[in-house]
Amino acid sequence: TAGITQAPTSQILAAGRSMTLRCTQDMRHNAMYWYRQDLGLGLRLIHYSNTAGTTGKGEVPDGYSVSRANTDDFPLTLASAVPSQTSVYFCASRRDYNYNEQFFGPGTRLTVL
Amino acid sequence: AQTVTQSQPEMSVQEAETVTLSCTYDTSENNYYLFWYKQPPSRQMILVIRQEAYKQQNATENRFSVNFQKAAKSFSLKISDSQLGDTAMYFCAFMKQSVAGANNLFFGTGTRLTVIP
Repeated sequence: TAGITQAPTSQILAAGRSMTLRCTQDMRHNAMYWYRQDLGLGLRLIHYSNTAGTTGKGEVPDGYSVSRANTDDFPLTLASAVPSQTSVYFCASRRDYNYNEQFFGPGTRLTVL
Repeated sequence: AQTVTQSQPEMSVQEAETVTLSCTYDTSENNYYLFWYKQPPSRQMILVIRQEAYKQQNATENRFSVNFQKAAKSFSLKISDSQLGDTAMYFCAFMKQSVAGANNLFFGTGTRLTVIP
């Protein structure tokens, strides 16, 4: 079982360009999350989805959008990247609200120049 | 809003010794979960141990145990018989128990642990 995969592993992006970070899980988990990890700040929630077809905003949603067309995929899009979006991005999933463990993907390191 | 505080940015311990990492949190929720995650240089987030707030007994997982003090809102991690592979960043995290909303993890800023041979 692969669990959660993220692509790309790392990326350098010019400011103003758009990019989609991909996240796929094969565990049939209902809930999915996007976090960003910045030095000295821990991980912070960007967006989440409790089930396919629904999404919600987290703590730091500005400049990001998500979609949840099906159970397995939860892409994160930066419409016009800015240097402050340089970070490591983690996708995570959880079976549903009855289960407390979140499983994390390997992360994507994004550098915006 | 929930906040999680880890007041020790860095710690070190001799191999085979015991070390305790501190974590405090602030919440008005009564039902919640607490976690310790390990992040080695590989960047992968690995769940070390979890504690349900309604359980008085402290959780243990092999060499890892917690001291959960609900009234004090304290959740420390004890690592016994430290091994070189324990060298990593450790994050304390909180999650409320709810049937709606994000149910996301709130993380502390982490403690970098180095195990010295």
